[in-house]
Amino acid sequence: DAEITQSPRHKITETGRQVTLACHQTWNHNNMFWYRQDLGHGLRLIHYSYGVQDTNKGEVSDGYSVSRSNTEDLPLTLESAASSQTSVYFCASSGRDTEAFFGQGTRLTVV
Amino acid sequence: AQKVTQAQTEISVVEKEDVTLDCVYETRDTTYYLFWYKQPPSGELVFLIRRNSFDEQNEISGRYSWNFQKSTSSFNFTITASQVVDSAVYFCALRRGKAAGNKLTFGGGTRVLVKP
Repeated sequence: DAEITQSPRHKITETGRQVTLACHQTWNHNNMFWYRQDLGHGLRLIHYSYGVQDTNKGEVSDGYSVSRSNTEDLPLTLESAASSQTSVYFCASSGRDTEAFFGQGTRLTVV
Repeated sequence: AQKVTQAQTEISVVEKEDVTLDCVYETRDTTYYLFWYKQPPSGELVFLIRRNSFDEQNEISGRYSWNFQKSTSSFNFTITASQVVDSAVYFCALRRGKAAGNKLTFGGGTRVLVKP
């Protein structure tokens, strides 16, 4: 069965460190997204990609970057982790006319 | 700009009661899609329903039903005869028409607690 997986599921890191969260999907979807979930804010879009070599900023992109070198993967990098980036991160993918499928989430704590 | 408002942050009910979750959206698009997702305590996001802006028919799926009213920009969700397993956070989301891309705008979520 096709799926979308995130790793790691939990991570604790120190302020100032670079962190990369992995997202891998086997749906063969062109569209991939990263969201963060914070209490009271629902899910907010960080970055998204509509295909290989395509990346776009979402509403809360400061301090984050993504790259899309193949269809399956969209890693999210925190250039210099800050306490404000403590959150739960969700990766999602969708086809041209499908609903979005979400990964299990990554709980990141920046100390 | 797109916006989704879920005014109820938390609802607590006793099992077998009905519960209605409100969702109000804002968009200037004539073509758009509305979604509901469920997030159980385990944390994953589970797709429940998608509605496009041209289809205002209400939908029922088991104990779940959805009422879409373009006139009031609302897409409300009702759980009939709630069960403890319905305890979760529910998110309403909006997506623009296909030409504008597939990114979702989420509401803040409503936590539903069903007590036995």
